[in-house]
Amino acid sequence: DAEITQSPRHKITETGRQVTLACHQTWNHNNMFWYRQDLGHGLRLIHYSYGVHDTNKGEVSDGYSVSRSNTEDLPLTLESAASSQTSVYFCASSSAGANVLTFGAGSRLTVL
Amino acid sequence: GNSVTQMEGPVTLSEEAFLTINCTYTATGYPSLFWYVQYPGEGLQLLLKATKADDKGSNKGFEATYRKETTSFHLEKGSVQVSDSAVYFCALSGGNTGNQFYFGTGTSLTVIP
Repeated sequence: DAEITQSPRHKITETGRQVTLACHQTWNHNNMFWYRQDLGHGLRLIHYSYGVHDTNKGEVSDGYSVSRSNTEDLPLTLESAASSQTSVYFCASSSAGANVLTFGAGSRLTVL
Repeated sequence: GNSVTQMEGPVTLSEEAFLTINCTYTATGYPSLFWYVQYPGEGLQLLLKATKADDKGSNKGFEATYRKETTSFHLEKGSVQVSDSAVYFCALSGGNTGNQFYFGTGTSLTVIP
């Protein structure tokens, strides 16, 4: 069965360290998205991609970067982690033209 | 611009009670509307959707009707169960949003036996 996998599921890191969260989907979806989920804010879009080598900033992109070298993967990098980036991160994907998002199980990141 | 507003939680109901979670939206064009559900410790999953005005989405006893005249997509269930305890998100996409989704802030539901 096709799926979307995030790793690690839980990570604790220190302020200033670089962190990469992985997202891998086997749906062959063109569109991939990264959201963060915080109490009182719901889901906020960080970055998104509509295809290989395409990346775009969302509403809360500062301090984050992504790259899309193939269809399956969209890793999210925190260049220098800050305590404000403690959150639960969700990756999602959808096919071009379709309007249903499929979500991963989430990655809980704690920055101390 | 595009936005979704849903009722604040948390909501606590007794088993078999009637559930309504309100959702209103602002959008240009003709978006599709969605309800997603998030069970504890999991990612969001699609609960139901409606793609045009007056459509009714339904799944697992939940229903929502796309009301263009009131820009609403309220979620209802006639008799909730303990297993319905989760966070519910209203969302829109399509229309002039391109492929982007706009989510409400989520409503936490707890059903007690």
